[in-house]
Amino acid sequence: GAVVSQHPSRVICKSGTSVKIECRSLDFQATTMFWYRQFPKQSLMLMATSNEGSKATYEQGVEKDKFLINHASLTLSTLTVTSAHPEDSSFYICSARVRVGEKLFFGSGTQLSVL
Amino acid sequence: QKEVEQNSGPLSVPEGAIASLNCTYSDRGSQSFFWYRQYSGKSPELIMSIYSNGDKEDGRFTAQLNKASQYVSLLIRDSQPSDSATYLCAVSRLNQGGSEKLVFGKGTKLTVNP
Repeated sequence: GAVVSQHPSRVICKSGTSVKIECRSLDFQATTMFWYRQFPKQSLMLMATSNEGSKATYEQGVEKDKFLINHASLTLSTLTVTSAHPEDSSFYICSARVRVGEKLFFGSGTQLSVL
Repeated sequence: QKEVEQNSGPLSVPEGAIASLNCTYSDRGSQSFFWYRQYSGKSPELIMSIYSNGDKEDGRFTAQLNKASQYVSLLIRDSQPSDSATYLCAVSRLNQGGSEKLVFGKGTKLTVNP
């Protein structure tokens, strides 16, 4: 199956710093990538939809200026959590697909802990 | 009503039994339905996808879809302890920008007892 690589797997940072998470589709071209956040014992909540070469579409309640998404190529999308605070601590997961209606391939996730 | 609803469980079954996981959804326009398995601290992995009414079987797994009732289920036959995980139901819907996105249920925690 298709492989989506997400890096880093774990980040511990101080409050106020920025953290960048990378998501790469290794063996296919992902026209669309999705960024999810998951709090403990909660479901995956979609944060934004990222299409290559265009601005990301953010879900209601997600701050665009805080969660910067860049999808510069068909194989790479990045999520930058700017000025992270303890309430941003969560499990962030990216996913990618080739075409609408097809299954999503998930990255391995990034556990962010903000002290 | 939540977009995708699942019984959070926990659901406990003995090894070898059939585990039945249920999911209802609110958007009648949804066309694609998925079941994912998620182990603690890991990202979800796809178990089954189903797009039309009826049953779809893959090994020990059977997905069932009833669009009229807005209901999708997953049956796991001959349950094994390694099946113990949280099972997420995901349903497609149109995003604000007109593209498609997946909405996930909260998940059902399954425990298979040896």
